[in-house]
This record gives sequence, C-alpha cells and structure tokens, in this order.
Amino acid sequence: DTAVSQTPKYLVTQMGNDKSIKCEQNLGHDTMYWYKQDSKKFLKIMFSYNNKELIINETVPNRFSPKSPDKAHLNLHINSLELGDSAVYFCASSRDRLGPDTQYFGPGTRLTVL
Amino acid sequence: RKEVEQDPGPFNVPEGATVAFNCTYSNSASQSFFWYRQDCRKEPKLLMSVYSSGNEDGRFTAQLNRASQYISLLIRDSKLSDSATYLCVVNIDDNYGQNFVFGPGTRLSVLP
Repeated sequence: DTAVSQTPKYLVTQMGNDKSIKCEQNLGHDTMYWYKQDSKKFLKIMFSYNNKELIINETVPNRFSPKSPDKAHLNLHINSLELGDSAVYFCASSRDRLGPDTQYFGPGTRLTVL
Repeated sequence: RKEVEQDPGPFNVPEGATVAFNCTYSNSASQSFFWYRQDCRKEPKLLMSVYSSGNEDGRFTAQLNRASQYISLLIRDSKLSDSATYLCVVNIDDNYGQNFVFGPGTRLSVLP
C-alpha cells in the first residue's frame, strides 16, 4: 500500500497553462505539505495544511494555490505556468503539527514547463 | 547565513570505508533533528532521528551537539547501496506548528 501518493508522476506542459497535482495520504495524518525541489536539489517548503487549514504559507507566487478537500488530500493548482516552475514537487505528511515528528514523502511529480 | 548547512560534497569513498557528514543549524529553538536519505530521482526517506544522547542504528551513528548547533552522521563499512544524497533536517516547532527545514544535502558515492 502506498502511504503518500501523487499524480501525475510526470507533467510536461507549455508556458501559460494551468495545471494541478494531486496528493493523497492513507496514513491518517493530520498535516500535509508541499515542497519544491529545483535543479540545484534544494528542497523548500511551499505550504503546510493541518486538518484542512493552511498553517504555513511560505513566500511563493500566488499563482500557486493549495486546496485540501479533506485531511487525506492536498492538491496543488498552478496558474499561468512559467519556465522557472520546472522542478520536482513533493507532497508529504506528518502525524500532527505538534511535537517532534517525521515526514513521509510521496514519490514526487516532475514538472517540465516548455 | 542559511538555516541549515551541510558539507558540500560529493564524497567518493571505497567500499568498506568510514565516512562522516556534518550539519550545522542556525536556529537555537530547533527541537528535533533527522537524517533523510534521497536516492537519485526518488523521494526523501527517513534514515534516522537524532537524539541528544546520540544514537546508533547498525552501521549508522548520529550525534547532536546542541551547544554548537551541530549534527553528524557516521557511516561505517560503507556499502555500494549507501550511495545517495543525505539530507540533514531540522524541525522548529513555532506558533504555526512544525516547520521542517532541509539542508542542501551531501552526496555520497561508494565505489567498488
């Protein structure tokens, strides 16, 4: 059973398009995250959701909008895609937002903007 | 100064070698610490948590020095399968909840 799953695994699209990436976790975790890993391999947090509420919103362009229909899902919608958005996007989850805990990552979505 | 810094690497070592990675963090409010491993084109996976007293898991030993804000990972008797990027992760629990900050990673290649 896949604990944290993402779709699609690969996404190739043209500049200016709008796209969505979906994430689901079956671990019963309360907190979910989106990370971006660029070509330099630096993993940076973008958003964090706890029980469907946004609790961290790092400085990312407002073209990126996370949506959480329930605590098991955290989707990422990107408007007006730009070349610089090309990266691997990882979804992750953790048990809750309090206390030390570990994160479990999805397999990543490799986005290429042409 | 970056929040989490690591040895730049890459480290190229022969099988059987012992290798150590260093990590420093800038926020003294950091509360928990981890080492993650990331294989090429894969997601990061937890390798081990790092406890104040130091901890060992087989060939892997992690140490934490809160006074110096320094974390280390020692790998003994390196295997080819240890080749990966090792990410130091620092967790700061602030008013907004947990904030995991990843270091840039240190790449290890174990050579036959």
